[in-house]
Amino acid sequence: DQQVKQNSPSLSVQEGRISILNCDYTNSMFDYFLWYKKYPAEGPTFLISISSIKDKNEDGRFTVFLNKSAKHLSLHIVPSQPGDSAVYFCAASATMTAGNKLTFGGGTRVLVKP
Amino acid sequence: ETGVTQSPTHLIKTRGQQVTLRCSSQSGHNTVSWYQQALGQGPQFIFQYYREEENGRGNFPPRFSGLQFPNYSSELNVNALELDDSALYLCASSLKLAGYNEQFFGPGTRLTVL
Repeated sequence: DQQVKQNSPSLSVQEGRISILNCDYTNSMFDYFLWYKKYPAEGPTFLISISSIKDKNEDGRFTVFLNKSAKHLSLHIVPSQPGDSAVYFCAASATMTAGNKLTFGGGTRVLVKP
Repeated sequence: ETGVTQSPTHLIKTRGQQVTLRCSSQSGHNTVSWYQQALGQGPQFIFQYYREEENGRGNFPPRFSGLQFPNYSSELNVNALELDDSALYLCASSLKLAGYNEQFFGPGTRLTVL
C-alpha cells in the first residue's frame, strides 16, 4: 500500500521554464510534507517543506502547494536551471503519531535542458 | 560542523551472510533513522534510534536490527542476507524536539547481495 505516490517518473523541461512536480498521498494522519532532491552518489538533500496548516510555502525559486482536501501537493521550480536536474522525492510525516518517520514517494527524475 | 557520514561506501556480500553498516550522525544530533532505497524506488523507513533505544520501526523483518551508541553513532545489522536486500542504505540524523525535526541524510552505503 503506497501511501505517497509520485505518478510521473520523469519530467523534461527547458531551461528558464517552470517545472511542476506532483505528489498524492492517502494517509489523513500526515501533517508535514517535504521535498528532497537527490543527485547520484549523494544522499537526499532537503529542499522545502510545508505544514498541513498552510497551503503554500515559498523559498526562492521553489514553491510548494498543498491541497489537503485532494490530498495532493506540488512543487514548482521557477525558473528551472540545468543544476536542478536530479531526482526529486516527495515525503510525508505524521508527526503526532510517528515522529520523524518519513514516508517517501517513488521519485520524479527531472532533466532541465539548456 | 560535520555532516552525516556512512561506511562503507560499497559492499558486496553473498546470500546468507551477515552485514554491518555504520553511520556517524551530524554533530549535536541525538536521533538516527535508517532507510532502504531499492533501485528505482523511494527510500523506505527501517527504524529509528533515539537515546540508544529503538523509537519506531517500519515493515522490516527482525533480521534487520540496529544499535545506537552513547556518541549517537549507529549501526544497521542485517542477518541471513537475501538477494532482495540489495539496495542503497541511507542514514539520517536529527535533533529530537517537538513536532517534525529536519533530517539530514548521509550519502548511503550501496549493498549488493549475490
